[in-house]
Amino acid sequence: EDKVVQSPLSLVVHEGDTVTLNCSYEVTNFRSLLWYKQEKKAPTFLFMLTSSGIEKKSGRLSSILDKKELFSILNITATQTGDSAVYLCAISGYSGAGSYQLTFGKGTKLSVIP
Amino acid sequence: DTGVSQDPRHKITKRGQNVTFRCDPISEHNRLYWYRQTLGQGPEFLTYFQNEAQLEKSRLLSDRFSAERPKGSFSTLEIQRTEQGDSAMYLCASSLGLGLETQYFGPGTRLLVL
Repeated sequence: EDKVVQSPLSLVVHEGDTVTLNCSYEVTNFRSLLWYKQEKKAPTFLFMLTSSGIEKKSGRLSSILDKKELFSILNITATQTGDSAVYLCAISGYSGAGSYQLTFGKGTKLSVIP
Repeated sequence: DTGVSQDPRHKITKRGQNVTFRCDPISEHNRLYWYRQTLGQGPEFLTYFQNEAQLEKSRLLSDRFSAERPKGSFSTLEIQRTEQGDSAMYLCASSLGLGLETQYFGPGTRLLVL
């Protein structure tokens, strides 16, 4: 059974700080790893990572995947109060049924205080 | 708006009643997924459609749950004889269906069973 563990579960930082969120996983046949941001509504897509060592970047957010060590990190630099949210990591693995279901971690709740 | 839409956004029902939720995916997406999310947890996979075919169901999906996607476009999720443990956010997601792909989530239906 696929498994995703995120750490820390919650984090409080001051505006301007840099944060690193961690995601480790176990999966039978890796396809991709995805990061989502969830404010009090549905998850919104941030990144999809499929290859090891390649950094995906969007503004102040960046993410990298280590397929050998089975983990990913999400970095947020110069945090703003609008970054306050739950950040979800999810794994997509090949299954015999051909499903593309995602297995999510519990998320990291980030609170950015002014 | 061309995103995933769900209806209703909120539902309060009494234990034992039946409820039905609707999901309209992004128009060109042929894969549709249902997830359930409870407080403090990441979304959990329930079921998956490719066009009108339901290809996989989680063991979380008891006999009281049924999902359909009759014409390969919108989908419905019905819960019969609701129980208090069914209270959760029900999320629908869709994806294009061309291999490695991102799932885009709708706003969710929040169900409260009294």
